[in-house]
Amino acid sequence: KQEVTQIPAALSVPEGENLVLNCSFTDSAIYNLQWFRQDPGKGLTSLLLIQSSQREQTSGRLNASLDKSSGRSTLYIAASQPGDSATYLCAAPLLFGGTSYGKLTFGQGTILTVHP
Amino acid sequence: DTGVSQNPRHKITKRGQNVTFRCDPISEHNRLYWYRQTLGQGPEFLTYFQNEAQLEKSRLLSDRFSAERPKGSFSTLEIQRTEQGDSAMYLCASSLGPTGQGAGELFFGEGSRLTVL
Repeated sequence: KQEVTQIPAALSVPEGENLVLNCSFTDSAIYNLQWFRQDPGKGLTSLLLIQSSQREQTSGRLNASLDKSSGRSTLYIAASQPGDSATYLCAAPLLFGGTSYGKLTFGQGTILTVHP
Repeated sequence: DTGVSQNPRHKITKRGQNVTFRCDPISEHNRLYWYRQTLGQGPEFLTYFQNEAQLEKSRLLSDRFSAERPKGSFSTLEIQRTEQGDSAMYLCASSLGPTGQGAGELFFGEGSRLTVL
């Protein structure tokens, strides 16, 4: 059974800081790893998808890395802004016979607050 | 907007009533998922469809819950005889198959929030 843990549970930083969110998973037989953002009362917005054969993905100020052997992924946010305030979730589907059903196991998320 | 669409966005009902949620996935996506999220927790998997076939159901999905995707397009999630413990956000997601660029990337709707009084 896959278990996903995110550290820290909450983070409060001043605007402009670079920050790192951590995600660890117990079963390294993952198909990919996805980072999401969730605003209060809203659905999930996909930020980055890293295939299992990749080591990192970048989108704008966001960079996500994946180390399957150690069961870890990090999300790096550069030059944080108040608009980045949200809950960040990571999730990974397990491999089944070389493919995946896309059944994600989520961590509890990191609540990020960026204050002006 | 051609993203995943869910309705209603919010449903308030009395214990014992039946409720139904609808999800319209991204049109070319053949995979559809339902998740449930309670306050302060990450989403939990409920069920998964590939086209019209329901391929997996979580043990969280009691016999009061039923999901359908009759023509492989939209899906409905029905909860019969609602209980206060059913109060949660019900999230729908869709994805393409497992191959190709962006393979397996899930796209979520805005969710349907259920409050059972």
